[in-house]
Amino acid sequence: EAGVAQSPRYKIIEKRQSVAFWCNPISGHATLYWYQQILGQGPKLLIQFQNNGVVDDSQLPKDRFSAERLKGVDSTLKIQPAKLEDSAVYLCASRTGTGGIDEQFFGPGTRLTVL
Amino acid sequence: GQNIDQPTEMTATEGAIVQINCTYQTSGFNGLFWYQQHAGEAPTFLSYNVLDGLEEKGRFSSFLSRSKGYSYLLLKELQMKDSASYLCAGDSWGKLQFGAGTQVVVTP
Repeated sequence: EAGVAQSPRYKIIEKRQSVAFWCNPISGHATLYWYQQILGQGPKLLIQFQNNGVVDDSQLPKDRFSAERLKGVDSTLKIQPAKLEDSAVYLCASRTGTGGIDEQFFGPGTRLTVL
Repeated sequence: GQNIDQPTEMTATEGAIVQINCTYQTSGFNGLFWYQQHAGEAPTFLSYNVLDGLEEKGRFSSFLSRSKGYSYLLLKELQMKDSASYLCAGDSWGKLQFGAGTQVVVTP
């Protein structure tokens, strides 16, 4: 079974530039998450999708971050404009989301460096 | 938010046992997940506790006390490959809130 795919794996940009990350979850997983993990910290939830609808985006800095999952499969996360403090690993995760208890499966992440 | 606290780092010898404690506020979570994260890699699932008590999976065991807001992960027969960060995460209807992680260093 293929895992969660993310691209790019690494990205270096200058502050005030824009960047986009892509995620393809495990086939059939209805729930998709984006996390931000700053070095030395645990992952912090940015946004949760159920199919193509947003369940929770309360911790997404909406003045600069946006995310979409138009067809309920792939998702993109965008930062515009980037700040130095956005340097982190951005993790995408998915789970079946059909009810009950099941773990989240994480992708390899995109390591963003903002200079 | 629901604070989740775990020690920053623990060191143990190969073949030994290490217990990683995790405490959290007692309301708001349906259960407790433990994930392992090697440096530069994605977190991978280890265990999940929804009921009080001990769950055993091979060399790894996890314990939960909901009334005390307390969990621990027990790693037995430590191997060098167990050197990693171990993340405790509270589950609230499919949303995870992670602690900062405990870096376990296994020495020969």
